[in-house]
Amino acid sequence: AQSVAQPEDQVNVAEGNPLTVKCTYSVSGNPYLFWYVQYPNRGLQFLLKYITGDNLVKGSYGFEAEFNKSQTSFHLKKPSALVSDSALYFCAVRGPSGGSYIPTFGRGTSLIVHP
Amino acid sequence: DAGVIQSPRHEVTEMGQEVTLRCKPISGHDYLFWYRQTMMRGLELLIYFNNNVPIDDSGMPEDRFSAKMPNASFSTLKIQPSEPRDSAVYFCASSPRTAGDYGYTFGSGTRLTVV
Repeated sequence: AQSVAQPEDQVNVAEGNPLTVKCTYSVSGNPYLFWYVQYPNRGLQFLLKYITGDNLVKGSYGFEAEFNKSQTSFHLKKPSALVSDSALYFCAVRGPSGGSYIPTFGRGTSLIVHP
Repeated sequence: DAGVIQSPRHEVTEMGQEVTLRCKPISGHDYLFWYRQTMMRGLELLIYFNNNVPIDDSGMPEDRFSAKMPNASFSTLKIQPSEPRDSAVYFCASSPRTAGDYGYTFGSGTRLTVV
């Protein structure tokens, strides 16, 4: 079975400081990993994904994520946080291609960026 | 493309009434998913379709819930009879292939309140 853990319900960071939202996963085989963002009263929006290749993946709005196979982690990062980054962030994982695997989503982490 | 379109955006209904939620996926997307989001349980996959055929409905909580996809451009999620514990935000999402390759596109959701 595949699973995702987002150990922090909430992350607080000051504007201009770097931010990290943590995600660890469990899956059989090589993972497909995703980050989504949800702004208030909106659906989830795709931010970035890792399937293969460079462990550092760049996505929308200046976000990036680092895949670490040995630690089974896929942390979301941004060098300089903006107040507008405040939102709910979801990590998701699925198994390798060849099947009809559907991603499993984490419970989400609320990011609050203070002015 | 207008994205995934859900209607209504908000629904308030009395316990025991029938509720129908609607979704129009992105044209050309083969997969359609229905999710439910609550504070207690996070994001739950209810059911998904591939080429209009239901593939996995194991997430549907009870027989009171049913979903249909009569054609590639329309799906409904029906709750009959509705109960207060059904109150949640219901999201529809679509994907051109398995979500592992492309990620999902979510609609803006329907906020359901059952009183």
